[in-house]
Amino acid sequence: EIVLTQSPGTLSLSPGERATLSCRASQSVSSSYLAWYQQKPGQAPRLLIYGASSRATGIPDRFSGSGSGTDFTLTISRLEPEDFAVYYCQQYEAPGFTFGPGTKVDIK
Amino acid sequence: QVQLVQSGAEVKKPGASVKVSCKASGYTFTGYYMHWVRQAPGQGLEWMGRINPNSGGTNYAQKFQGRVTMTRDTSISTAYMELSRLRSDDTAVYYCARVGGYSGYDLGYWGQGTLVTVSS
Repeated sequence: EIVLTQSPGTLSLSPGERATLSCRASQSVSSSYLAWYQQKPGQAPRLLIYGASSRATGIPDRFSGSGSGTDFTLTISRLEPEDFAVYYCQQYEAPGFTFGPGTKVDIK
Repeated sequence: QVQLVQSGAEVKKPGASVKVSCKASGYTFTGYYMHWVRQAPGQGLEWMGRINPNSGGTNYAQKFQGRVTMTRDTSISTAYMELSRLRSDDTAVYYCARVGGYSGYDLGYWGQGTLVTVSS
């Protein structure tokens, strides 16, 4: 079973700053199988990035994903007030999904 | 537009069972697997399993084997997740989710979640 590790656990930043979130897999993951989600309190997760680097419909271009193999990154180029949330990476390993523990991005 | 609408919050005693429903609309129900994911208070996301609404075939995460049953009723485009022998650590929000129509390896559509509280 592939295990996902995310770092840092918490990222304290100010609006306008750049956020770099890391997701590391215990074994190589196909880029097609790697996704990122945003979750705000009391809400369901929202898909941001699929296939490691493609934005889902309606996701602003300040969100970008990159990486391959065992190391993947979600970058938020300039934080907006609505971006403070928890972010999860996810990988697909048939027949289901596993998620990382999450990175909380909070206001400094 | 795709919508997944779940049943309301439940309070159960330890040892009981709970059945959560997920009504789908805006797409062909039998065309996409329905997945179930749970989230304990303050914790991360945990995949529980999936059902093929067309065939009724299921795959469950090993952790839940023997305690979870996923079913569907195609006549009303509704999927169900039943968890038995509830324990206090089953207290969580339970989500149904469908792949997003992108890569097929992501969950692009989610229900609003159903809070299940297990308490004596």
